[in-house]
Amino acid sequence: RKEVEQDPGPFNVPEGATVAFNCTYSNSASQSFFWYRQDCRKEPKLLMSVYSSGNEDGRFTAQLNRASQYISLLIRDSKLSDSATYLCVVSFYTGGFKTIFGAGTRLFVKA
Amino acid sequence: NAGVTQTPKFRVLKTGQSMTLLCAQDMNHEYMYWYRQDPGMGLRLIHYSVGEGTTAKGEVPDGYNVSRLKKQNFLLGLESAAPSQTSVYFCASSYGGLAGGPSNEQFFGPGTRLTVL
Repeated sequence: RKEVEQDPGPFNVPEGATVAFNCTYSNSASQSFFWYRQDCRKEPKLLMSVYSSGNEDGRFTAQLNRASQYISLLIRDSKLSDSATYLCVVSFYTGGFKTIFGAGTRLFVKA
Repeated sequence: NAGVTQTPKFRVLKTGQSMTLLCAQDMNHEYMYWYRQDPGMGLRLIHYSVGEGTTAKGEVPDGYNVSRLKKQNFLLGLESAAPSQTSVYFCASSYGGLAGGPSNEQFFGPGTRLTVL
């Protein structure tokens, strides 16, 4: 089982739609969680950190469920510019740090 | 500020050739990382550094060496390139470690696309 798993998609949604991605992780000692965004042939960039109580940044909402070991990203009112690959990132420290990137979920927003 | 820069952007090597990828950051970050990204797989950590003069192995270190002689630079070397090393290589840096918190945001360079024939 992969340490961080994501549905690769692609998710094809119309503009204005709401779309949600989940990401599961296997290490229960995981401490930090992030969503990164990666545009085609570009570098990843931090979209948002994920806090235990859940957090929102404009149209984006991130949730953490430690009991079921998954994090989620909800995008409301999708824009064409949201088309990208969304990477789930999980970090933990066990005598040395370890950060695991998911393979990503591709999103295409259509006009 | 340029952020994180990488050179070269593209390179084609023949099997057995050597090369060095250069990463530079101007954010005074302590931590620097080298990743490779392959289709269908997440970014995988090759080596990392927690400060000038220090390096450590990541998840896939075999076939690579690194050096951090200056805080702002992190070099990745391939001594004898193999086709399995065809990949996109990303360098990243961060202010903090990875124990959590926004200071652990990693800033990535634009990547180096390497093909080994």
